[in-house]
Amino acid sequence: NAGVTQTPKFQVLKTGQSMTLQCAQDMNHNSMYWYRQDPGMGLRLIYYSASEGTTDKGEVPNGYNVSRLNKREFSLRLESAAPSQTSVYFCASYGTWAAETHQPQHFGDGTRLSIL
Amino acid sequence: AQTVTQSQPEMSVQEAETVTLSCTYDTSENNYYLFWYKQPPSRQMILVIRQEAYKQQNATENRFSVNFQKAAKSFSLKISDSQLGDTAMYFCAFMMLRSEKLVFGKGTKLTVNP
Repeated sequence: NAGVTQTPKFQVLKTGQSMTLQCAQDMNHNSMYWYRQDPGMGLRLIYYSASEGTTDKGEVPNGYNVSRLNKREFSLRLESAAPSQTSVYFCASYGTWAAETHQPQHFGDGTRLSIL
Repeated sequence: AQTVTQSQPEMSVQEAETVTLSCTYDTSENNYYLFWYKQPPSRQMILVIRQEAYKQQNATENRFSVNFQKAAKSFSLKISDSQLGDTAMYFCAFMMLRSEKLVFGKGTKLTVNP
């Protein structure tokens, strides 16, 4: 049972390049999320998707786009990378059934992205 | 908007001793969950313990326990018999029942010294 899988695990980009971070979950969860983690800032929500075909902005959406391709996959795209987007990115998923069992979000292992 | 505050950026403790990490939160909601996550150097986000706001009894998981004070909006984590493997970042997080979004504190870096 893989859970939440993120690719790639590491990436270095030059300013202005574009890139898509991929995320897939095999738990049949409805909701998926993208967070960024910066030193001293905790995890901040970039975008989330409550169900297939829907997306909504989180706390720090500027400079990012997302796509909920299907129930399993939720991608994050940087159209024109900037040094301020250097961060560790986490994808997470959550099933609406989970509220009954009080299960928290399941996280991927993160992507370390450096923009030069 | 909900906020979560962890006032201790860094803490250290000697192996086998007890340490308490602080967390306060701000919300007007009555039904919510609170969580403590551990993030070791491997970067994984690992759930340590959770607390449902409607439960008065404090949650415990082996060496980990919480002191949940709903009126004071406080949710501290106590680690007993600290082990070297407890060295990690610890994040307090809040989630409303009617929302599926987590709000995180900025974290506390805990170092357990031999």
